[in-house]
Amino acid sequence: SQQGEEDPQALSIQEGENATMNCSYKTSINNLQWYRQNSGRGLVHLILIRSNEREKHSGRLRVTLDTSKKSSSLLITASRAADTASYFCATVSGGSYIPTFGRGTSLIVHP
Amino acid sequence: DAGITQSPRHKVTETGTPVTLRCHQTENHRYMYWYRQDPGHGLRLIHYSYGVKDTDKGEVSDGYSVSRSKTEDFLLTLESATSSQTSVYFCAITSDLAGYNEQFFGPGTRLTVL
Repeated sequence: SQQGEEDPQALSIQEGENATMNCSYKTSINNLQWYRQNSGRGLVHLILIRSNEREKHSGRLRVTLDTSKKSSSLLITASRAADTASYFCATVSGGSYIPTFGRGTSLIVHP
Repeated sequence: DAGITQSPRHKVTETGTPVTLRCHQTENHRYMYWYRQDPGHGLRLIHYSYGVKDTDKGEVSDGYSVSRSKTEDFLLTLESATSSQTSVYFCAITSDLAGYNEQFFGPGTRLTVL
């Protein structure tokens, strides 16, 4: 069963705009990760945020984590056509080291 | 791609036939995983391995078996393929250097069972 659920399922924006996608989860986590998947390819790890962190940045990516609401958001600033992909959140909980993936958000960035 | 290859990349087979998918890694990582990806379901864990001959079941292990006789190879076998096993299969590893959190994925195998 999925731990994280992304929202929205699909997002379509113009190049240069910001893209925000959200992830909600059900149980306490150790960390939450975001991955990107380009069409026909494997997933690529983007960023990891630990349960004691609230915000993290990596280039044009900004991830926030609100453990009280059991939710995370991924913001991609100044999006580019190359950002077109599916984005997945994955949670690691309890004594496990194996992430549980959500169903993903499909992002289309129009040039 | 963290030195992960999968073979074959595409396969079409018939119901009832056995199928083996191979995942090969070149960097001596201890942990390896098999996932399937289906529309509306995201990625689901089938089996994983934490060392040679050490494997365990994931969320959707029914109908699948695995073997790991060498560190570099993790095999996924469908003993008798069914149409419900039509999917894209991904192998992944976790890197010791990344603290066993971040996963690195192979390119995937698209399997069609007719």
